[in-house]
Amino acid sequence: DTGVSQDPRHKITKRGQNVTFRCDPISEHNRLYWYRQTLGQGPEFLTYFQNEAQLEKSRLLSDRFSAERPKGSFSTLEIQRTEQGDSAMYLCASSSTRKGNQPQHFGDGTRLSIL
Amino acid sequence: ILNVEQSPQSLHVQEGDSTNFTCSFPSSNFYALHWYRWETAKSPEALFVMTLNGDEKKKGRISATLNTKEGYSYLYIKGSQPEDSATYLCAFSDTNAGKSTFGDGTTLTVKP
Repeated sequence: DTGVSQDPRHKITKRGQNVTFRCDPISEHNRLYWYRQTLGQGPEFLTYFQNEAQLEKSRLLSDRFSAERPKGSFSTLEIQRTEQGDSAMYLCASSSTRKGNQPQHFGDGTRLSIL
Repeated sequence: ILNVEQSPQSLHVQEGDSTNFTCSFPSSNFYALHWYRWETAKSPEALFVMTLNGDEKKKGRISATLNTKEGYSYLYIKGSQPEDSATYLCAFSDTNAGKSTFGDGTTLTVKP
């Protein structure tokens, strides 16, 4: 078990560009979550998957954001036409529902900086 | 929108001091409360999962209590050490959907 991994760790891009982040959850975890975190605040929920199904998406998430988990394993988060307000840490977490109420296991995050 | 509040926002203590933080959450439709520790340049690490009113959990020098009727949880650290310096986050769930609402955290700095 290597934990949750995210790639890249850092991404710097110009405003207007598209970016894609990848998350590889713990292999036996069926749930996968995406959060956004900005300085001084806690993680803000974006969306989550159970297996390959996207079950909930935050109303705060604009149409420029899309997430996929095509085979119920890794997930990607894409941001189109990035804006300066998208600069943040993007965290991925995974958990299992098979053993009752379990905590989420987090990756190290992808820090996005929009120039 | 669920309101999860943590206080204080930050805390500076001397090594050896004991300290505690508060997490306030909605008292209705409670499902679970999680505590996480988030050290700089690392990922958040789960400390406790609390589900029942009156729950008390302990891990080494860190313990937590839960009051679901009034909507609060306390996290205690006994004899703080510099390695306890981190941001402590609580996360509230109102269903088994897995979605958690996080507080903004309490940042603890322990001075040697």
